[in-house]
Amino acid sequence: GQNIDQPTEMTATEGAIVQINCTYQTSGFNGLFWYQQHAGEAPTFLSYNVLDGLEEKGRFSSFLSRSKGYSYLLLKELQMKDSASYLCAVRDTGGFKTIFGAGTRLFVKA
Amino acid sequence: DVKVTQSSRYLVKRTGEKVFLECVQDMDHENMFWYRQDPGLGLRLIYFSYDVKMKEKGDIPEGYSVSREKKERFSLILESASTNQTSMYLCASRTGQGIDTQYFGPGTRLTVL
Repeated sequence: GQNIDQPTEMTATEGAIVQINCTYQTSGFNGLFWYQQHAGEAPTFLSYNVLDGLEEKGRFSSFLSRSKGYSYLLLKELQMKDSASYLCAVRDTGGFKTIFGAGTRLFVKA
Repeated sequence: DVKVTQSSRYLVKRTGEKVFLECVQDMDHENMFWYRQDPGLGLRLIYFSYDVKMKEKGDIPEGYSVSREKKERFSLILESASTNQTSMYLCASRTGQGIDTQYFGPGTRLTVL
């Protein structure tokens, strides 16, 4: 079956670092995406990994291990505006379908 | 900037009504998608289209149909709305090339009474 697991909620302090984990079991793999979704808004693209390793983009980094079916999103120097849901998503081998996790709701406190 | 728009942000309908949700993208994208998003379940794919007049069922197509007569427009139709179709509906488009991320519309929160 197709399954993506990520924690339901996390809380972190402004200025700190937080790591959001994602594990997946899918029949095919053609890339892993992270999206950010603020309450009541559309998901927006954060990062993409298709090869193993770390991709860094400013305060946000994403890591992928295909052999372990594992990814994480690392957020540094947390700001209040980072309070949002973070969605992990895997694109299947055919290329059309993307499977989404239920999302991790991050609360950033002062 | 890519723009994906949806016809309504909020919609209230009665059980049995026919409901049309419209989505328009302005970037000449080949692929378009309809998802529903429910708490604890994430985004689930209802239908997608990889070209004009082409459509494919996603994971939960029952009770829905779609129409893509023009490249920029992808419509979701609920033939006879039911209360279990109360949800947030998100449309997305993508180029089909490169990193090929999806661009989402703002969503339509549909309530079926």
